Amino acid sequence: ETGVTQTPRHLVMGMTNKKSLKCEQHLGHNAMYWYKQSAKKPLELMFVYSLEERVENNSVPSRFSPECPNSSHLFLHLHTLQPEDSALYLCASSQGPKVPGELFFGEGSRLTVL
Amino acid sequence: QQQVKQSPQSLIVQKGGISIINCAYENTAFDYFPWYQQFPGKGPALLIAIRPDVSEKKEGRFTISFNKSAKQFSLHIMDSQPGDSATYFCAIRFWFSGGYNKLIFGAGTRLAVHP
Repeated sequence: ETGVTQTPRHLVMGMTNKKSLKCEQHLGHNAMYWYKQSAKKPLELMFVYSLEERVENNSVPSRFSPECPNSSHLFLHLHTLQPEDSALYLCASSQGPKVPGELFFGEGSRLTVL
Repeated sequence: QQQVKQSPQSLIVQKGGISIINCAYENTAFDYFPWYQQFPGKGPALLIAIRPDVSEKKEGRFTISFNKSAKQFSLHIMDSQPGDSATYFCAIRFWFSGGYNKLIFGAGTRLAVHP
């Protein structure tokens, strides 16, 4: 148990669906992250939130829309996805983006786009 | 885009052997070099980390060696055990002009330790 919980663990959606991934951290951290993990590729940083403010949008397509309502919760809203978006989406938190030491990852949400 | 080149992509080691994973980076604007371990169905977790003012750091069976002039660092797992079978990611902390840092990860090495 890392203190970062992601739901759902598995999600299958069509290209025209709208769905959301949820992340909750119980560590009191003030920075939260979305990473994309594809086979044989480096972990790709998608978004960074610091104190509920988005500080990084790493050239992510607009079909991915993040939301951070408070420092403990992070969402990734998905719409009109493509099959190449199928991947493991990892949420992480840390004490801060200014000095990110250890990132605490959730177990991920496995997304399949048909 | 800063990159970290990690090798090998996969590694098979016999129980009791030494596992060695290497990473190379291109820039010098980094100050923290962590290694993460990921088991199937789990997220990555920090295993061990080193700062560039140290050439080696050892924690139990895990050792990081750092060669600043060559811009390389490596993970050595001594007396490898089947329970070490996982995917290992090296990373570098990059100072970003926006006033914060971010970790850049290698592509990962899938380690299998056979009994």
